[in-house]
Amino acid sequence: GAGVSQSPSNKVTEKGKDVELRCDPISGHTALYWYRQSLGQGLEFLIYFQGNSAPDKSGLPSDRFSAERTGGSVSTLTIQRTQQEDSAVYLCASSLAEGLQPQHFGDGTRLSIL
Amino acid sequence: SQQGEEDPQALSIQEGENATMNCSYKTSINNLQWYRQNSGRGLVHLILIRSNEREKHSGRLRVTLDTSKKSSSLLITASRAADTASYFCAPVFGQNFVFGPGTRLSVLP
Repeated sequence: GAGVSQSPSNKVTEKGKDVELRCDPISGHTALYWYRQSLGQGLEFLIYFQGNSAPDKSGLPSDRFSAERTGGSVSTLTIQRTQQEDSAVYLCASSLAEGLQPQHFGDGTRLSIL
Repeated sequence: SQQGEEDPQALSIQEGENATMNCSYKTSINNLQWYRQNSGRGLVHLILIRSNEREKHSGRLRVTLDTSKKSSSLLITASRAADTASYFCAPVFGQNFVFGPGTRLSVLP
């Protein structure tokens, strides 16, 4: 597609369940970012992938969070044993190169933990 | 932290007026980017200004950068109701940039 695609757009799950969030970046974009945005707040950096380099995981809030990027394209963010404080919008962005180019964002996955 | 801090947190103006938002940051940058976010959507890139530039224009947008003061401003001229959104700055060094809490702009018709 023409833009960054995220799925699902909304996810409601019970506390303690695992969830997987998917991001399809723009074709050819080597950099991919995951962010978390709580209601009315700014973006919290989670993880960054650049080509075949080791990802920058410095923003992951706990070991319940993990992400992978297969084949340098699609990325999956996994949250294990979800907690209510995990409720937020999870945004994915991609860019042609690290930092020097604009990021293109998907519309996010709104995650609600009951 | 490289986080940008936008000011004011919220701004309400009448259609046709100009809106000015400010951004401050703490360390050296390669460039600084401004983004807009409409409710329920992802961020949309507006403009990028490099560290060796002082001013940049794009349509009704004007961005300034003062690296000595570590600050930037975004001016939207002749605002429209459709400009209602949150605006974020992102100071960039390498691959690291952290978005601040943003400025929520409301343009009243």
